[in-house]
Amino acid sequence: DSGVTQTPKHLITATGQRVTLRCSPRSGDLSVYWYQQSLDQGLQFLIQYYNGEERAKGNILERFSAQQFPDLHSELNLSSLELGDSALYFCASSVDYGGGTEAFFGQGTRLTVV
Amino acid sequence: GQNIDQPTEMTATEGAIVQINCTYQTSGFNGLFWYQQHAGEAPTFLSYNVLDGLEEKGRFSSFLSRSKGYSYLLLKELQMKDSASYLCATRKDDKIIFGKGTRLHILP
Repeated sequence: DSGVTQTPKHLITATGQRVTLRCSPRSGDLSVYWYQQSLDQGLQFLIQYYNGEERAKGNILERFSAQQFPDLHSELNLSSLELGDSALYFCASSVDYGGGTEAFFGQGTRLTVV
Repeated sequence: GQNIDQPTEMTATEGAIVQINCTYQTSGFNGLFWYQQHAGEAPTFLSYNVLDGLEEKGRFSSFLSRSKGYSYLLLKELQMKDSASYLCATRKDDKIIFGKGTRLHILP
């Protein structure tokens, strides 16, 4: 158990809908990362927060947004869902945002858009 | 950019040694990670290199050459449970960017 908690584990929804994925980082970790992993694809970096502030942005679609709250948990909002958004969404956390700080991953949320 | 290249698939025999290579663009480089990921599961941390040389950790070792933009993960005494994807990742600024991973098949 990495200490990073993601909910829900599975989500099935229809095209055009909106969903919210939740992540609780490890105790003491200030940095949260979101990744998307489609079938047979690598982990695509979406966005990173540190202590409530956005630190880095990857190839995140405009239909997607995220935030990190004062208690350090984070939410990833996906709207106007398309079939191609079906993927595993991972959250990771680390103590800091630089140097040798490794990232610990949650178990992921498997999103299926039908 | 942060192009990370690693072989898509490799096959090795139980008890043998396998080396998984990774090349990356060196601009802004600030460290290299290796993660293991079993299908449908979360990636788990294996190693981190920021200086040149070999880091050994049990059956797994990781090597880095910053000037060449090159790293490898060496797995010794392979076990069936080592069948997984191995992800090379680099840190640049605040991002951790992953390659597509190398799927390692272990034959008995």
